[in-house]
Amino acid sequence: DGGITQSPKYLFRKEGQNVTLSCEQNLNHDAMYWYRQDPGQGLRLIYYSQIVNDFQKGDIAEGYSVSREKKESFPLTVTSAQKNPTAFYLCASSIARLAVYEQYFGPGTRLTVT
Amino acid sequence: AQSVTQLDSHVSVSEGTPVLLRCNYSSSYSPSLFWYVQHPNKGLQLLLKYTSAATLVKGINGFEAEFKKSETSFHLTKPSAHMSDAAEYFCVVSPEREKLTFGTGTRLTIIP
Repeated sequence: DGGITQSPKYLFRKEGQNVTLSCEQNLNHDAMYWYRQDPGQGLRLIYYSQIVNDFQKGDIAEGYSVSREKKESFPLTVTSAQKNPTAFYLCASSIARLAVYEQYFGPGTRLTVT
Repeated sequence: AQSVTQLDSHVSVSEGTPVLLRCNYSSSYSPSLFWYVQHPNKGLQLLLKYTSAATLVKGINGFEAEFKKSETSFHLTKPSAHMSDAAEYFCVVSPEREKLTFGTGTRLTIIP
């Protein structure tokens, strides 16, 4: 089955530690995205990548970092500089060649930092 | 800048009655618009999309939405609610081809 996998589903970390969230897709999509979701809010874009070895900051990139070494993988690191990291993180991908970038979402990772 | 406003944060309907989730958009040109659904602790699933073709768009699970330029609206409807429709619904606009801007969501509750 083609799709997007995110692991783990739940992640717990102590304050001050960096943590990396995994996102893998086997849809052969060019573009990948990371969003953050907080209760009662819509999704906010953290980073996106349209091609391997290239990525752009979204609306809330501070305290996060990404890499795109392979087309199918787009890991997100939540650094200790992120002031409020507890949230639900969603990864998505889309086919960059279409006129409209319809995005497909993974199941999400819920990160809790204490 | 393009944006969307979901007019209701929470909607409750009885099973078997119609569903109406309201969304207004702001755009200086004809936008691409989407509705996504999210069940608790899950990712988002695309319900339907409008891309300047037919103004009445049919989606999955019996949902549809009508693009009304004069009212800058893209409301989501379903003739008869089912218990499995209980979820969070997001109206989304695409300001640039590779970006999406999300509304704040409408939580739909179905009363048995």
